[in-house]
Amino acid sequence: AQSVAQPEDQVNVAEGNPLTVKCTYSVSGNPYLFWYVQYPNRGLQFLLKYITGDNLVKGSYGFEAEFNKSQTSFHLKKPSALVSDSALYFCAVRGAGGGNKLTFGTGTQLKVEL
Amino acid sequence: KAGVTQTPRYLIKTRGQQVTLSCSPISGHRSVSWYQQTPGQGLQFLFEYFSETQRNKGNFPGRFSGRQFSNSRSEMNVSTLELGDSALYLCASSSGTGGVNTGELFFGEGSRLTVL
Repeated sequence: AQSVAQPEDQVNVAEGNPLTVKCTYSVSGNPYLFWYVQYPNRGLQFLLKYITGDNLVKGSYGFEAEFNKSQTSFHLKKPSALVSDSALYFCAVRGAGGGNKLTFGTGTQLKVEL
Repeated sequence: KAGVTQTPRYLIKTRGQQVTLSCSPISGHRSVSWYQQTPGQGLQFLFEYFSETQRNKGNFPGRFSGRQFSNSRSEMNVSTLELGDSALYLCASSSGTGGVNTGELFFGEGSRLTVL
C-alpha cells in the first residue's frame, strides 16, 4: 500500500532562516508526490507536486521540494522562512486506485518565529 | 473564479441522526473528492466522483455515501451518526481524474460536524 511518513510533529525555525519539512514515502511503481498546506480553520492548499522530470520541484510561495529516489524522500524546503509560513504542512502520495485518491501524512506544524 | 463551496460550514447532530453535506466545485471541474479530517486519524479519503460516477472509494462503512449531479455538484451523506463521525469533512475539486493534473486538488473550507 502507498504511504507517506512525516517524522516531525513540529518544526520551529527563525524568520529568515532556511526551513525543511521532511517526508518519506513508500509506493509500488512510480511515485506521485504532493505537498499541501493548511492554515487554521481552512481547507488545504496545493503547494507543489512531483510526477516525473527534475528532482527539484518549485511550487507556490517560494517553496520547493527535492525528490530523492534512493532515499525515498520528498522534503519540502524554503530558502528564507517567513512568519506567515506558519501552518500545518501535509505530504501526500497518490493511492493505488489512481485518480485523485491521495494518502496523506500526519502533518507537520511549522512555526516561524521572529 | 469562485472556489470550492461547502455547506453547511458548521452543524451539530445527535447520535443516530443522519446528515447531508453539499459541495459545489470550481466551475468546469468534473472531479469531486471527499476527505475526513480528525485529530486522531488525520486526513482520510472517503470517495471520488467524476462525471456522476464513483471513481474511488476509501475504507469507510456503508453509512457513508455520496453522489454527484450532472452539474458536478456533490453531496455526501452519513446515516446513523456515531460520536466518532465528528470531524471536518473536506471537499476537493479537480479538473480531471488523471493525467498531468492528477492529485492537484482545490479544497473547500470544510463542513465541521459535531455529533453529540
